[in-house]
Amino acid sequence: DAGVIQSPRHEVTEMGQEVTLRCKPISGHDYLFWYRQTMMRGLELLIYFNNNVPIDDSGMPEDRFSAKMPNASFSTLKIQPSEPRDSAVYFCASSRGGRLGQPQHFGDGTRLSIL
Amino acid sequence: AQSVAQPEDQVNVAEGNPLTVKCTYSVSGNPYLFWYVQYPNRGLQFLLKYITGDNLVKGSYGFEAEFNKSQTSFHLKKPSALVSDSALYFCAVRGDTGRRALTFGSGTRLQVQP
Repeated sequence: DAGVIQSPRHEVTEMGQEVTLRCKPISGHDYLFWYRQTMMRGLELLIYFNNNVPIDDSGMPEDRFSAKMPNASFSTLKIQPSEPRDSAVYFCASSRGGRLGQPQHFGDGTRLSIL
Repeated sequence: AQSVAQPEDQVNVAEGNPLTVKCTYSVSGNPYLFWYVQYPNRGLQFLLKYITGDNLVKGSYGFEAEFNKSQTSFHLKKPSALVSDSALYFCAVRGDTGRRALTFGSGTRLQVQP
């Protein structure tokens, strides 16, 4: 089975530009999570969805960040306008619904650099 | 609120020796505990989990973890370390309240020397 697929793997852009990160979860998974990883702050949960509906976006740092899940097989995380402090690795993860002990499966991340 | 502590930033062990990576947690209700491993430029990979039952849980690549309710710990262990086990290890927890979000620890870098 294909795992969680993220694109692009690397993104370098200038401050002020719009950035869109993409994620395709594992087929049949009901939950989708967006994380950010930095050396200073570790792994932070930004937002998660259940059946395409945002459940908890309390980790989204600012209004510059937005996430959507228009269907079960696609999600985007958008930063507009981007700032140098947004530089990080962004991970998408998905998991099955049902029993609470289902593990999350992670993509390989998007390494974002804002100049 | 739930939290995870990984008290060691780095653990060094010689190849062939046993290894332990420590994790303690705090959560309301019954804990669901997970260990993940991250290799360079890769996402986190699931290793093992504790939901209920036996306190010793076996997972991938020969790893196991011991759940200790009284000490609120979930230490990761392996009887004989390999150089290829060198990576970043994360412990994670969630409660049984239905909220799906995991809380991750800060990670422990395992370095296995040949």
